[in-house]
Amino acid sequence: EPEVTQTPSHQVTQMGQEVILRCVPISNHLYFYWYRQILGQKVEFLVSFYNNEISEKSEIFDDQFSVERPDGSNFTLKIRSTKLEDSAMYFCASSEQGANTEAFFGQGTRLTVV
Amino acid sequence: KQEVTQIPAALSVPEGENLVLNCSFTDSAIYNLQWFRQDPGKGLTSLLLIQSSQREQTSGRLNASLDKSSGRSTLYIAASQPGDSATYLCAVLAGNNRKLIWGLGTSLAVNP
Repeated sequence: EPEVTQTPSHQVTQMGQEVILRCVPISNHLYFYWYRQILGQKVEFLVSFYNNEISEKSEIFDDQFSVERPDGSNFTLKIRSTKLEDSAMYFCASSEQGANTEAFFGQGTRLTVV
Repeated sequence: KQEVTQIPAALSVPEGENLVLNCSFTDSAIYNLQWFRQDPGKGLTSLLLIQSSQREQTSGRLNASLDKSSGRSTLYIAASQPGDSATYLCAVLAGNNRKLIWGLGTSLAVNP
């Protein structure tokens, strides 16, 4: 069964360092998303991406964040200068058509900023 | 602003019980509602998707209903098993750019 894959599963980084979280969405899907979940809190929307551009971004997704689809299969989230409060589980998701279709999630990357 | 609330926050039941998890949302203008399962420290597994025009969906021992006008959904789990122990999250797809808005989840423990 097709699935969304994320790497790495866990990343520890020092404050101020850049990190890149990687995702391979399901191959025929057109809409891509990043969400995050800080421990004990709700899952929060970060950004949606369609047709090689950002569709929407939340207020969390400031200039320190960027997304890219560098080739036909990968979808990345970059945090330029990590802060302690960026520590969270980051989930990538994809859906076939966006509206009214099921979103499939990866297993997440646990980011720990020290 | 859309808000999603799940009740109860935690539930502990003996194996074999039928149980109901509740989800409510403040704005009925949704495209769909999804129920997810999350095991501790793990990813999000989609269980059921209910379109805004539907009333319920079933998958095995799971049944989810949706009453959009009252802003409520329930997830019914029949004959619960210890393997059902996890956190169950509901999320509504809403807004112009169709993002998922999440509840905090119900943490379920099914005791053998």
